[in-house]
Amino acid sequence: EVQLVESGGGLVQPGGSLRLSCEASGFGLSNYDMHWVRQSTRKSLEWVSAIDTAGDTYYPGSVKGRFTITRETDTNSLHLQMNSLRAEDTAIYYCARVRSTGSMDVWGKGTTVTVSS
Amino acid sequence: DIQMTQSPSSLSASIGDRVTITCRASQDIAKYLAWFQQKPGRAPKSLIYAASSLQSGVPSKFSGSGFGTDFTLTISSLQPEDFASYYCQQYNSYPYTFGQGTKLEIK
Repeated sequence: EVQLVESGGGLVQPGGSLRLSCEASGFGLSNYDMHWVRQSTRKSLEWVSAIDTAGDTYYPGSVKGRFTITRETDTNSLHLQMNSLRAEDTAIYYCARVRSTGSMDVWGKGTTVTVSS
Repeated sequence: DIQMTQSPSSLSASIGDRVTITCRASQDIAKYLAWFQQKPGRAPKSLIYAASSLQSGVPSKFSGSGFGTDFTLTISSLQPEDFASYYCQQYNSYPYTFGQGTKLEIK
């Protein structure tokens, strides 16, 4: 069964760091583009980062320079290193697989990040 | 960045109704538009990609159309399980962007 399971969320103070993980099963993560998407309680879905099969990475301006997406082939895992966290980074973070068509077809259940003092 | 504008933001409908949600892109995105359904406390679920292609396993009561800047999602014969939030998303260019969502409620 194709599945994505996120972990690593929690409570962190403003300015702190957190590393999220997304473990893939049922497929080889390195064969697909992979994305992180977040959703805060007040907002819609917001795309956070992507890594393509070539290893190139992409970020929106809101997180560029603070977040880093990586892929670990040995453990079939995706990671999101989040530094200099702000209150507005508080959200549920989902990882998603992108099929060859370019659309996100498989999503994890999400992990919750709360940035608060 | 490409702005995605959905309308309406909320919609009340009855069981058996047919509803349409629209999504407008601030610039041409060709066919690179996806639709997602999200129920409370759950992750988004892919419904449609490439504006009109049904994701595997999604019932044919869901249909999408459009090209360029204007797109629609139509849901026919509403059933209780269809009442949820729906989001459009452009993947023509980075940064990928989502619409603000449409909450479909039972009348």
